[in-house]
Amino acid sequence: AQTVTQSQPEMSVQEAETVTLSCTYDTSESDYYLFWYKQPPSRQMILVIRQEAYKQQNATENRFSVNFQKAAKSFSLKISDSQLGDAAMYFCAYSTPNAGNNRKLIWGLGTSLAVNP
Amino acid sequence: EAQVTQNPRYLITVTGKKLTVTCSQNMNHEYMSWYRQDPGLGLRQIYYSMNVEVTDKGDVPEGYKVSRKEKRNFPLILESPSPNQTSLYFCASSPWLAGGVYNEQFFGPGTRLTVL
Repeated sequence: AQTVTQSQPEMSVQEAETVTLSCTYDTSESDYYLFWYKQPPSRQMILVIRQEAYKQQNATENRFSVNFQKAAKSFSLKISDSQLGDAAMYFCAYSTPNAGNNRKLIWGLGTSLAVNP
Repeated sequence: EAQVTQNPRYLITVTGKKLTVTCSQNMNHEYMSWYRQDPGLGLRQIYYSMNVEVTDKGDVPEGYKVSRKEKRNFPLILESPSPNQTSLYFCASSPWLAGGVYNEQFFGPGTRLTVL
């Protein structure tokens, strides 16, 4: 069974600094997708960035980028120039197209990120 | 505005009193899903639906029912709620693309349910 592990329950960063959140996953599939979701205090689940496993190039969205290491099954999120609004719980998630009709996301337990002014 | 709505946002109820949490999306998505979020357990899928009248169990379906009579609506039904169903519930939707191609899932705002 696929699993997603986030080893850092809590992290903090100074405003304007860079922080990296870690995620590892376990799967026997070769085709899959990886995601980082942000959950602010409002509890809304917001997609930050996604990575297709077949793409070697790391995804980037403005200040957010990933380091995707397929062989190591590692998928870390780097937040550059951290802002106060980045403070949230961050979830790493996995999905495979080989789950039949189910587009289920498998989630890590999250990393709570605090941004200090 | 494209969105997934859930109602109610907050609900406190008592054991055994049937309740329904509604979920509606205005994006004409085929795929819809329910998750529950619990501390230390993360998000787990309850049920999903790939289209009208097509539903299937996720990882934790016990104690829940769903229906998909219309494409836009996917209500979650708790026939006899128990305290272990106290949780934060999310509904999500996405287009269902053939061949397993993934498209972004859009989440509702969540429903905080407390069963006393």
